[in-house]
Amino acid sequence: EIVMTQSPVTLSVSPGERATLSCRASQSVSSHLAWYQQKPGQAPRLLIYDASTGATGIPARFSGSGSGTEFTLTISSLQSEDFAVYYCQQYSNWPYTFGQGTKLEIK
Amino acid sequence: QVQLQESGPGLVKPSEALSLTCAVSGYSINNGYYWGWIRQPPGKGLEWIGSMYHSGSTHYNPSLKSRVTISVDTSKNHFSLKLSSVTAADTAMYYCAAHYYGSSFDYWGQGTLVTVSS
Repeated sequence: EIVMTQSPVTLSVSPGERATLSCRASQSVSSHLAWYQQKPGQAPRLLIYDASTGATGIPARFSGSGSGTEFTLTISSLQSEDFAVYYCQQYSNWPYTFGQGTKLEIK
Repeated sequence: QVQLQESGPGLVKPSEALSLTCAVSGYSINNGYYWGWIRQPPGKGLEWIGSMYHSGSTHYNPSLKSRVTISVDTSKNHFSLKLSSVTAADTAMYYCAAHYYGSSFDYWGQGTLVTVSS
């Protein structure tokens, strides 16, 4: 099983600033990585797939990068609606696995 | 636009089976997506349970494989999850989702909370 590790666990950032979230895989997943946003009481929403491709309707301030074992989600200028929990997920190998999440909170 | 809606009992007794259904609308279940289940214990992260293609191809999380069955009913355009011998550790929000083979979960249901308690 591929273990996904996200850092930091909690990230405090002020609105308008840039946020950088990290995800590391225990072995290479190539570019088979997705990022999801989850707000309280809601289902996760797909933000990024194939490591760097924005999903339909996702604002351009969300971008993904990386390949192999190291990945980054960047939110260029935080809006109030962006404060949420973010998960990475690999779909290179079964079983599909998620990171433990990064909570992005208002500073 | 694929829409997914979970349904099933919100309370299950320990040692019994948990059964949930996910109704698919706006898309034929016979088309290209895999149909999957993901769960999230209260206050915790996401765990993939398993996925199934309409042809019968299934993939399960090894940690749950001995207790999980996913099935597809093409006549009703829905798919189901059965998890046997549940314990309190199976208390979670259960989500159904759609994904292509080797791809991200593109569509999610709103989730249904299942509590295991006597």
